[in-house]
Amino acid sequence: ETGVTQSPTHLIKTRGQQVTLRCSSQSGHNTVSWYQQALGQGPQFIFQYYREEENGRGNFPPRFSGLQFPNYSSELNVNALELDDSALYLCASSFSGALETQYFGPGTRLLVL
Amino acid sequence: DQQVKQNSPSLSVQEGRISILNCDYTNSMFDYFLWYKKYPAEGPTFLISISSIKDKNEDGRFTVFLNKSAKHLSLHIVPSQPGDSAVYFCAASGLTGGGNKLTFGTGTQLKVEL
Repeated sequence: ETGVTQSPTHLIKTRGQQVTLRCSSQSGHNTVSWYQQALGQGPQFIFQYYREEENGRGNFPPRFSGLQFPNYSSELNVNALELDDSALYLCASSFSGALETQYFGPGTRLLVL
Repeated sequence: DQQVKQNSPSLSVQEGRISILNCDYTNSMFDYFLWYKKYPAEGPTFLISISSIKDKNEDGRFTVFLNKSAKHLSLHIVPSQPGDSAVYFCAASGLTGGGNKLTFGTGTQLKVEL
């Protein structure tokens, strides 16, 4: 049984660029949630994907978008990067959204200059 | 609008003593609460949870208390061990807004000293 993995681990981009972050779910999990954790803050919910469909979204603008693939891995895309997008991006996988058995990956740290 | 608040950014406790971490929430729609522990360079890991129909849940050294009228919960760790040193996040869920999303507090850095 493999855990949740994320790539890349670190990334530096400039304002206005686009970025794609990747998440591989734990084996057997069909739900992926993405969170943004700014420095000194708790993780904030971006959106959740269940069986390739968006299943809930937090208070993030449309330039944050996502995909879930048939193998339940997922991507987070951010267009027109802003300085405030600098954060740790966490993905978490679960089976049908069960919270207690939701496992987080180590995150991707994004720096926007 | 911070719906889940952890007002103590840090806490230092001696090994063997009790650690008490506090959390307050404002949204009365929350009905399920979880505590996560986070080590550097790792994602948060689930520790213990409590449903709003209970006021206490215990798992080994960890106990969570919920006071619904005060919208307050606390995590007790007894006895505290050096390996417990980490950032602890309180999180809440209520099936509103679609998806099973968590609303996190800002975290409390616990340091257990020898």
